[in-house]
Amino acid sequence: QQQVKQSPQSLIVQKGGISIINCAYENSAFDYFPWYQQFPGKGPALLIAIRPDVSEKKEGRFTISFNKSAKQFSLHIMDSQPGDSATYFCAASMNAGGTSYGKLTFGQGTILTVHP
Amino acid sequence: DVKVTQSSRYLVKRTGEKVFLECVQDMDHENMFWYRQDPGLGLRLIYFSYDVKMKEKGDIPEGYSVSREKKERFSLILESASTNQTSMYLCASRRDRGRLNTEAFFGQGTRLTVV
Repeated sequence: QQQVKQSPQSLIVQKGGISIINCAYENSAFDYFPWYQQFPGKGPALLIAIRPDVSEKKEGRFTISFNKSAKQFSLHIMDSQPGDSATYFCAASMNAGGTSYGKLTFGQGTILTVHP
Repeated sequence: DVKVTQSSRYLVKRTGEKVFLECVQDMDHENMFWYRQDPGLGLRLIYFSYDVKMKEKGDIPEGYSVSREKKERFSLILESASTNQTSMYLCASRRDRGRLNTEAFFGQGTRLTVV
């Protein structure tokens, strides 16, 4: 059962363009939504994260937009660069207390290619 | 810098073998996780541990077991390897801050091939 659905599976963007990756979740108890970036041969690394009390979070060229009522969130990469070429995963978790322990549920991943 | 180290980058094992994947973290994190990564499926949680000798099943525990005898070390065990366990295995750790979610740090992954 995939509780976090991510699209598209792959994305090709020209240098300087905007990359947009979308995720949708089912579990209303999720309250932490990170994005992870993974380069070939490396493990995923946290890129940016958001909590549902805000609708947008920006860090440099990376922005998360969050729509709680629609249970959707997205990653926007502005001025995309060839160095941004990687696999991106959205994820969600519940409050880390209790039996959750901060377990992350991941989307299927998006392979982003930015052409020079 | 937090470091999560997986003992092998690549492993090739035969069907039916017992396989051990080792993971060590150096930041005294309470929580440790094993995921497997497959194309089109993302990362799926196999097992996790919130304390020494404590473990919980994730979403796909069948065919796997784990061991955590020391805080810094979390091992994934394939009791009898099968070809459908060919995958990338990722270990992660995070600090327990009670109700607050904290960043999970991943190892570089072990690509296991079962032949």
